[in-house]
Amino acid sequence: DTAVSQTPKYLVTQMGNDKSIKCEQNLGHDTMYWYKQDSKKFLKIMFSYNNKELIINETVPNRFSPKSPDKAHLNLHINSLELGDSAVYFCASSQDSGTGGRINEKLFFGSGTQLSVL
Amino acid sequence: SQQGEEDPQALSIQEGENATMNCSYKTSINNLQWYRQNSGRGLVHLILIRSNEREKHSGRLRVTLDTSKKSSSLLITASRAADTASYFCATDRDSWGKLQFGAGTQVVVTP
Repeated sequence: DTAVSQTPKYLVTQMGNDKSIKCEQNLGHDTMYWYKQDSKKFLKIMFSYNNKELIINETVPNRFSPKSPDKAHLNLHINSLELGDSAVYFCASSQDSGTGGRINEKLFFGSGTQLSVL
Repeated sequence: SQQGEEDPQALSIQEGENATMNCSYKTSINNLQWYRQNSGRGLVHLILIRSNEREKHSGRLRVTLDTSKKSSSLLITASRAADTASYFCATDRDSWGKLQFGAGTQVVVTP
C-alpha cells in the first residue's frame, strides 16, 4: 500500500481554471504538508497542517487554499490558475516527535502532481 | 530564504566510485536530513543527523555534520547505476515542520 498518495499525477489545464489536488496518508501521522518544486528543482514549503489545524502558511497567494477534512487527508485547491503556477506539487507527512512538535522528524513524500498551466 | 545549499550542482561518476556532496546552511539547526529523488518521483528520506551528532552511517551512506562550519557532507561509497538521482539536504530551524531544502545535487552513475 502506498504510504502517501496524491492524485492526479498529471494535471494540464488552462489559465483561469480552478483545480484541486488530493492527498491521503495511511501512516497515522499527525502532520501533513504541501511543497512546491519549481523547474530548477528548488523545493519550497507552502502549507503544513497538524491534526487538521493550519500551522504553517508561507507566502503563498490566497488563490491557494488547503483543506484538511481529517488528519489523514490534506487537499490543495487552486483558484484562477496562472502560468507561474506550473510546477510539481508534493504532499508529505511526518509524525509528531512527541516533544511538542518543535523538532522536525523525517518526511514521507507522495510521488508528486505535475501541474502544467497553458 | 533558502537554508541549505548543495554543492556541487551536478556530479558524474562511474560505477564503483565514491560520490561526495556537500551542504552548507546559514542558521543554527536541530537536525539535518538528506533525501534522494529519482526522476519523476517523490523524495525519499535517507538519513537524519542531529545537531549533537558528528557522523552517521546507513549502509553505503555516510553523513557528517560540522556545526561550527555549518556544513554537512553525504558520501555514497561503491556507487551503483541505481544511485543515479538528485540528492537534497534539508535543515530545520525552530519552526515546526519548516524544513528548508536546497536545490539538490544531481548525481549520474554510469555503468
